[in-house]
Amino acid sequence: EDQVTQSPEALRLQEGESSSLNCSYTVSGLRGLFWYRQDPGKGPEFLFTLYSAGEEKEKERLKATLTKKESFLHITAPKPEDSATYLCAVQAGGTSYGKLTFGQGTILTVHP
Amino acid sequence: NAGVTQTPKFRVLKTGQSMTLLCAQDMNHEYMYWYRQDPGMGLRLIHYSVGEGTTAKGEVPDGYNVSRLKKQNFLLGLESAAPSQTSVYFCASRKVGLSRSEQYFGPGTRLTVT
Repeated sequence: EDQVTQSPEALRLQEGESSSLNCSYTVSGLRGLFWYRQDPGKGPEFLFTLYSAGEEKEKERLKATLTKKESFLHITAPKPEDSATYLCAVQAGGTSYGKLTFGQGTILTVHP
Repeated sequence: NAGVTQTPKFRVLKTGQSMTLLCAQDMNHEYMYWYRQDPGMGLRLIHYSVGEGTTAKGEVPDGYNVSRLKKQNFLLGLESAAPSQTSVYFCASRKVGLSRSEQYFGPGTRLTVT
């Protein structure tokens, strides 16, 4: 059974204080690992897809990395507008319909 | 280009009542999904569709039915609502042909069953 565990559950940072969110996964043949951002009362918004260990992707203050067992979302010099819940999901090989298994998310709060 | 839209945004039902949630996408995506999101549970797949006229069960399908009569629309029905179905429901769509492509989500419907 595919599993995704995110840590910490909640993270409070001061503006400018860099940190990382963790996503550990077990999956039979990773086809893709996805990061989403979710603001309160809204749907998840796509951020990144990572396909293989060693891959990295960046977008503004966010950088996602992938190993064979986990992914990190690094946040450099965060701003209050980066406050949101960050979701990680995996797609296993062999699923023809793109099934995603989601973690429970990390709630990030950035204080000015 | 509105992306994925959901109707209604909020709804309160009494136990035993029925309702239909509508999802519409204007991106010509083949695949569509219905999820529910509960505190501490993450997003869980209810039903999905790989094309017009086809639907299949996800991981938590009990108590729900779906229909995909048109490519752009995916309906989620609750025939007899129960308090356990109080949740936030999200629809998503995905382009076929790119096996690793991301899913695009709608804004959600918050349903309360009393």
